[in-house]
Amino acid sequence: AQKVTQAQTEISVVEKEDVTLDCVYETRDTTYYLFWYKQPPSGELVFLIRRNSFDEQNEISGRYSWNFQKSTSSFNFTITASQVVDSAVYFCALRTHTNAGKSTFGDGTTLTVKP
Amino acid sequence: ETGVTQSPTHLIKTRGQQVTLRCSSQSGHNTVSWYQQALGQGPQFIFQYYREEENGRGNFPPRFSGLQFPNYSSELNVNALELDDSALYLCASSWHPTDTQYFGPGTRLTVL
Repeated sequence: AQKVTQAQTEISVVEKEDVTLDCVYETRDTTYYLFWYKQPPSGELVFLIRRNSFDEQNEISGRYSWNFQKSTSSFNFTITASQVVDSAVYFCALRTHTNAGKSTFGDGTTLTVKP
Repeated sequence: ETGVTQSPTHLIKTRGQQVTLRCSSQSGHNTVSWYQQALGQGPQFIFQYYREEENGRGNFPPRFSGLQFPNYSSELNVNALELDDSALYLCASSWHPTDTQYFGPGTRLTVL
């Protein structure tokens, strides 16, 4: 069975603060894929990043960075110098190689960035 | 925007009715997956279609069924609607079953 836990239900920060969204996953598969999606109030899930299990290199894209640690089964997402436009629900998702069609999502973290 | 489109945007039905939701995949994508997202929760996988065949199914009853057409667009059909079927239904397309899924804007279904 596969599972994704996003322990932070809601986070509120003031603009320009850094914020980290936590994601912990469970799977018995050795090959798997991790994702982060952003869901603004409009409802559409916007793809942010994909990380394969065999690639533990961390990634930075502008103000976004991701920390993948297989030892702790975590794939955390940090927004540096947050902006009001970052306000949304963020989902972490897991897909395994043996069940590649199915994405298992966490329950999401609602991020509110106040001006 | 991803290029994945869904129709209709909103829908209101009553218990026991049937509904059909539609999804057009992004150009070049041959795989479509459907998800149900209840309020305050993450999306739940319903099923996936790859080259017109079902390629995996989540824990949903048989009254949830689907189709994929030769142009790779897809339909989700739900029979005998129940109140708990009220949710946002999301369609995602990808180039291959293992590839990154790109989501459409969703259809908001309300069952009264």
